[in-house]
Amino acid sequence: QVLLQESGPGLIKPSETLSLTCAVSGGSITNSHWWSWVRQPPGKALEWIGEIYPSGTTKYNPSLKSRVTMSVDNSKTQFSLKLSSVTAADTAIYYCARAGLFYMDSWGNGTTVTVSS
Amino acid sequence: QSVLTQPPSVSAAPGQRVTISCSANSSNLDLDYVCWYQHVPGAAPTLLIYDTIKRPLRIPDRFSGSRSGTSVILDIAGLQSGDEANYFCGTWAGGPSVGRRVFGGGTKLTVL
Repeated sequence: QVLLQESGPGLIKPSETLSLTCAVSGGSITNSHWWSWVRQPPGKALEWIGEIYPSGTTKYNPSLKSRVTMSVDNSKTQFSLKLSSVTAADTAIYYCARAGLFYMDSWGNGTTVTVSS
Repeated sequence: QSVLTQPPSVSAAPGQRVTISCSANSSNLDLDYVCWYQHVPGAAPTLLIYDTIKRPLRIPDRFSGSRSGTSVILDIAGLQSGDEANYFCGTWAGGPSVGRRVFGGGTKLTVL
């Protein structure tokens, strides 16, 4: 069973670039899945940020597209999210997940990111 | 407001049955490919139902999914204390080629 674990800074200042990594264990980043990022701001619904295929093809939420970059490590054991120009509205629990076309079947436990000066 | 609307909370006693609805507020939602997830805060969400009605092998048959018009339903039979969690639905808005994944606001299930 593939396991995912997010890691990140916890606290970041406004206008900075948030960098998160998702480590994949019990398997590797395969060509049969998309590798996704989802977040949940306090008291709000989950929001899909985007996802990446191992070939490098990406899909981003239009509402975040201008600030998002995703990548896959050459070792195919981790993938990353960069979100630029963060504001307080980016405060959330960030999850990584493995996704098929219509489902997400493995998720990480989430990492909390707070944007504050 | 989410494009998928769920009741904020439901409750029932152990052994009883509960249903959670997920209503579509937009016509471009793919209701034949809705997923349901169980989420205990602090833990990883678990996929319960995919393609609206299908269940992964490891998920007990107490959990089932169905569709009624512009709503999809998660049915949990024989409630157990361990079922107490948040449940949320998800699908594509606009399709997987050009759309975005969307989720309901979540429903907190309390087992009395």
